[in-house]
Order: sequence, then C-alpha cells, then structure tokens
Amino acid sequence: QQQVKQSPQSLIVQKGGISIINCAYENTAFDYFPWYQQFPGKGPALLIAIRPDVSEKKEGRFTISFNKSAKQFSLHIMDSQPGDSATYFCAASPMDSSYKLIFGSGTRLLVRP
Amino acid sequence: NAGVTQTPKFQVLKTGQSMTLQCAQDMNHEYMSWYRQDPGMGLRLIHYSVGAGITDQGEVPNGYNVSRSTTEDFPLRLLSAAPSQTSVYFCASTPRGRQNTEAFFGQGTRLTVV
Repeated sequence: QQQVKQSPQSLIVQKGGISIINCAYENTAFDYFPWYQQFPGKGPALLIAIRPDVSEKKEGRFTISFNKSAKQFSLHIMDSQPGDSATYFCAASPMDSSYKLIFGSGTRLLVRP
Repeated sequence: NAGVTQTPKFQVLKTGQSMTLQCAQDMNHEYMSWYRQDPGMGLRLIHYSVGAGITDQGEVPNGYNVSRSTTEDFPLRLLSAAPSQTSVYFCASTPRGRQNTEAFFGQGTRLTVV
C-alpha cells in the first residue's frame, strides 16, 4: 500500500502563479516531512522540511502547510518561475530516521513563461 | 567536496547477469541508503545502513544485496538481473544528528535489463 499519497500527478502554472501540491499520509509514527525537488537527470535535492510540532514553515517562495489531525501536508510555491519546473516529491519518515524516507509518487510541475 | 558519487551512470544488462552499483560519499555520514525510482511510483527504499557492518532491508529488498565495510562505500549488488529491475537507482547519505537531518542523493544510475 502507498503510505504517502501525492497529488496532482502533473501541474501546469503560469509564471507568477501559485503552485500547490498536496500529500496525505497514513502512519502516525511519521515525524519528519521533507519535500524534494528533482531536475531531469539529477538526483533529488532537499527543498524544505517540516516537523509536526508546527503548522507552517516558509523559506523564501516555498511554504509547507501541515495539518496533523487530517494527516495532510502541502507545498505552496508562490510567484512560480520557469526555473521551478521540475518534479517534486513529498516524503515522510519516523523520528530520527530520515535515512528511511517513504516518498510520494511525485508531481511534475511546468511553469509557463 | 564531491558529495555522493555513483558509478556507472548508465548500464545495460542481460537477464541473469550480475553487477554491482557503486556508491561512495566523502562527507563522513553515518547513514547510507539505496532507492529505486520508477515512473509514477516515486522513490522506494531498497536497503539502508546505519553504520559500517550494519545493514537492513527497506520496502523492496528482493533481488538485491548490500554490504557496508567502510563508512564511505555502500555498494548495491544484483546477483541475477531481471527485467523488473530496470529502473533508476539512487544512493543517499545522511548525517547523524540530534533530529532528522537532510539526505543527500547521488546523480543516479540508469539500469536497463533486457
């Protein structure tokens, strides 16, 4: 079964718009929720991460919103740019186990100029 | 620093052949992991290691072996390749820390089994 469900599968946004990607998880033992960005031919790279003791974390144009009771979290990309075009993965892991990440299925984002 | 280095970048195998995917990190990270990436399925954990001499299975370990004789190296072995093992393989290293720490990924190895 898929422990972390991610949607949408693909997303097209105009430059300057807001990109929103959603994830839901099942396992209440998950304690760490990172988002990874992957460009074609490259490995994933950490974009931003959150722990469940906060409901929101913002780094520049990127914000994670976290809803512990609903077991959902989302990535918001404000003022989306063509350079943001990439595949985004949400992930989760138990406490102090970020070497055992469970990934969502990925969202391919295209930002049109 | 080179970070996490994977070799080879591309490989084509015939069914039944064996090979080793190499992974080396120069960041002195305690933890290392192998993932495979398939279309529409994200990355799935194959095996991981919490230190030299210690390995354990992830979500999809069947058909793969690992060993960790040094902190730096974590090779992944396919003993008898099958077409179902066609995938992109990523190695990651993660430092030990007081709380969750960032996993650093290599550039990947694209493996095709025919």
